[in-house]
Amino acid sequence: AQKVTQAQTEISVVEKEDVTLDCVYETRDTTYYLFWYKQPPSGELVFLIRRNSFDEQNEISGRYSWNFQKSTSSFNFTITASQVVDSAVYFCALSEANYGQNFVFGPGTRLSVLP
Amino acid sequence: ETGVTQTPRHLVMGMTNKKSLKCEQHLGHNAMYWYKQSAKKPLELMFVYSLEERVENNSVPSRFSPECPNSSHLFLHLHTLQPEDSALYLCASSQDIGPNGNEQFFGPGTRLTVL
Repeated sequence: AQKVTQAQTEISVVEKEDVTLDCVYETRDTTYYLFWYKQPPSGELVFLIRRNSFDEQNEISGRYSWNFQKSTSSFNFTITASQVVDSAVYFCALSEANYGQNFVFGPGTRLSVLP
Repeated sequence: ETGVTQTPRHLVMGMTNKKSLKCEQHLGHNAMYWYKQSAKKPLELMFVYSLEERVENNSVPSRFSPECPNSSHLFLHLHTLQPEDSALYLCASSQDIGPNGNEQFFGPGTRLTVL
């Protein structure tokens, strides 16, 4: 069965601090996909990144970076030099190749960036 | 209009009312989804449609009735709801379902309150 855990329910940081959001997943498939989404107060989930299980390269996009480690089943997300606009709920999600229509989302981490 | 749109954005209804939520995607995608997001609960996948055919129904009560007349439109018909059905209902679309792990793109959601 697939499962996504985000152990941090809420995180508060002061602007310009770095922050890492943790994501741990469970799956029996060898081919799967991991995602991060951002949900600002407006409610719409915004797609941030997609990573397949065969690509363990870390990725950097501006102030965002992602660390994928199959050995620990983790796909962590780091925001460098956080800004107030980063305040949102962040969701990690998993999709298995054999059950592609079923996205399993983690419970989310609420990030508050204080000025 | 671009992306995924949902109407109405807010809806208040009594338990005996009948209403419908509408979703439209302008991305040329073949798959569409309904999710329920309740306070302090993970996103729950309700229904999945691929090329207008329902491929997933996650034990959703019959008071929720989906309809997908074409690949661009998705409806959720509501009748005799309960107060615990109050939630944010999110629509999403993706290129396809299946083994490729296509990312989903979300609409802004409909905030439903059942009195």
